[in-house]
Amino acid sequence: GENVEQHPSTLSVQEGDSAVIKCTYSDSASNYFPWYKQELGKRPQLIIDIRSNVGEKKDQRIAVTLNKTAKHFSLHITETQPEDSAVYFCAASPGGSYIPTFGRGTSLIVHP
Amino acid sequence: DSGVTQTPKHLITATGQRVTLRCSPRSGDLSVYWYQQSLDQGLQFLIQYYNGEERAKGNILERFSAQQFPDLHSELNLSSLELGDSALYFCASSVANRPYEQYFGPGTRLTVT
Repeated sequence: GENVEQHPSTLSVQEGDSAVIKCTYSDSASNYFPWYKQELGKRPQLIIDIRSNVGEKKDQRIAVTLNKTAKHFSLHITETQPEDSAVYFCAASPGGSYIPTFGRGTSLIVHP
Repeated sequence: DSGVTQTPKHLITATGQRVTLRCSPRSGDLSVYWYQQSLDQGLQFLIQYYNGEERAKGNILERFSAQQFPDLHSELNLSSLELGDSALYFCASSVANRPYEQYFGPGTRLTVT
């Protein structure tokens, strides 16, 4: 089955800095890669996703990149704000089912 | 608010007991997914139902079962509970033509004592 590794487990940045979270996956059949944000005590929320036929996708201050050959993908957050503080999960899934295998999460702390 | 509802919010029960968690998907969503989130295992997919039929199965224990009813709400039944079953249980739903857009409910926190 699919195995998703996520690093780092904790990331502490100053407000305004950039943050990068990296994930690797094992199953070459995976072709859909969503990222979820989970605030403390809340539900996971889909914030951005990327498909294997695309190398990069941006949405305002967040961007995702995908290197299918190397089987890794990353989340980039620019100009971080305190409200970006949360746990971020990457996931990989085969396009047919869209059933995600999640990474273990990265706790992002943005200091004002 | 995602539009997905789950009850109860919290559940405290003893080992060996059986509980039922309930999920109502967003209006119009035919797919329901169940996930377990724990410190040990992280966020794991358990099972998916689509319009009343089981569609996919993940790391769901034999002690656990689920179903989706004609009104599309779903129930997750957990039996012979063990301490290790303590976790947050989320359900999510998606619309048929966009299965990748999963909207999570607020979760049920289960504590087994």
